[in-house]
Amino acid sequence: NAGVTQTPKFQVLKTGQSMTLQCAQDMNHEYMSWYRQDPGMGLRLIHYSVGAGITDQGEVPNGYNVSRSTTEDFPLRLLSAAPSQTSVYFCASSYGGRADWGLDTQYFGPGTRLTVL
Amino acid sequence: AQTVTQSQPEMSVQEAETVTLSCTYDTSESDYYLFWYKQPPSRQMILVIRQEAYKQQNATENRFSVNFQKAAKSFSLKISDSQLGDAAMYFCAYRSPYHTQGGSEKLVFGKGTKLTVNP
Repeated sequence: NAGVTQTPKFQVLKTGQSMTLQCAQDMNHEYMSWYRQDPGMGLRLIHYSVGAGITDQGEVPNGYNVSRSTTEDFPLRLLSAAPSQTSVYFCASSYGGRADWGLDTQYFGPGTRLTVL
Repeated sequence: AQTVTQSQPEMSVQEAETVTLSCTYDTSESDYYLFWYKQPPSRQMILVIRQEAYKQQNATENRFSVNFQKAAKSFSLKISDSQLGDAAMYFCAYRSPYHTQGGSEKLVFGKGTKLTVNP
């Protein structure tokens, strides 16, 4: 299994540009989410999905869109990039809502470092 | 809302010695989950250890163990026989029970502790 993969690893955008951060997992996980990591802030939840066709907002959703057309993929779209969106973005997945604690671990992708000029 | 506090922005330890990283949290829930994640320079978030609040017994994973004090809302991580590969940022994280969050498995993270291991 490749686990959770993210592309690209690095990206530089100009203010106002749009782009999509890709996230895919091959573990048949129902739950997927996006976090952003800023210096000195830890990770904060942007959006999440509990299954194909179902998404919801997290703690810091403004400026981002998501969709979940398949179980495997959960792309994050920046509609009009702003310097405040300069951050490292992590995608995570898990089986979601299972009673078996051992299946409940969230697995993180390697992250995408985004710079908005 | 739950909060997680890591009061030590940086810590250092000599190789082969023991170090303890502190974490406190604030919650009104009685059932929850706690985690320690390691983030090396590669940026990958790696789960180190986890603890269910209803369990009295402290979790242990090889050289890593926790001291979970539910009444004090404290969840410290002890690393024994420290190795150079343990050098990383360590994040403490809290998660509410699945059924209380409408499906979200949101992790609430502390700001992290940077651990340096000296040879």
